[in-house]
Amino acid sequence: GAVVSQHPSRVICKSGTSVKIECRSLDFQATTMFWYRQFPKQSLMLMATSNEGSKATYEQGVEKDKFLINHASLTLSTLTVTSAHPEDSSFYICSARTGGTEAFFGQGTRLTVV
Amino acid sequence: KQEVTQIPAALSVPEGENLVLNCSFTDSAIYNLQWFRQDPGKGLTSLLLIQSSQREQTSGRLNASLDKSSGRSTLYIAASQPGDSATYLCAVEDQAGTALIFGKGTTLSVSS
Repeated sequence: GAVVSQHPSRVICKSGTSVKIECRSLDFQATTMFWYRQFPKQSLMLMATSNEGSKATYEQGVEKDKFLINHASLTLSTLTVTSAHPEDSSFYICSARTGGTEAFFGQGTRLTVV
Repeated sequence: KQEVTQIPAALSVPEGENLVLNCSFTDSAIYNLQWFRQDPGKGLTSLLLIQSSQREQTSGRLNASLDKSSGRSTLYIAASQPGDSATYLCAVEDQAGTALIFGKGTTLSVSS
């Protein structure tokens, strides 16, 4: 299957700082990327959907000013957690697809805010 | 709104047993259903994808079935091994190109 690379795999940051997570489709062009977050022993919850070149669509309850998503190219989407707080500590996973094809997932990013 | 439920939440079996993991979804009008494996602290590994027109898919010791009309899917694992220990997630795609909706998963532990 296609490869989606997510970086970094782990990050620890201080409260109040911002953290950027990258999601790249390595061998295909991703017209749509999805960002999920997962709390311990919980399911993956969709945060937002982004289509290349347009603004992301956020799920209800997700603060768009806090979780900035940029999908500037067909191979790269970024999620920036701004002014991070301990409650933002979680596992973030991206997914990428082209049209109605199968979605492929990144390896995930473990964010810890101290 | 689509909801995905997985039963049981956790399962412990001795090596060699055959087992079944269950997944149900509330809205039967799905595009496809997918089973994933997730190891602790890791990302997702896709196991099987079943299109809405299909009834089952097989890969090695894994067999997934889909009964769309009743909103159910099962993942059958034959001759379980300790390496099968992981969390298994079921996810549905309501319409082509939309995000997957996940269940909470079944955490499987296979003892040697």
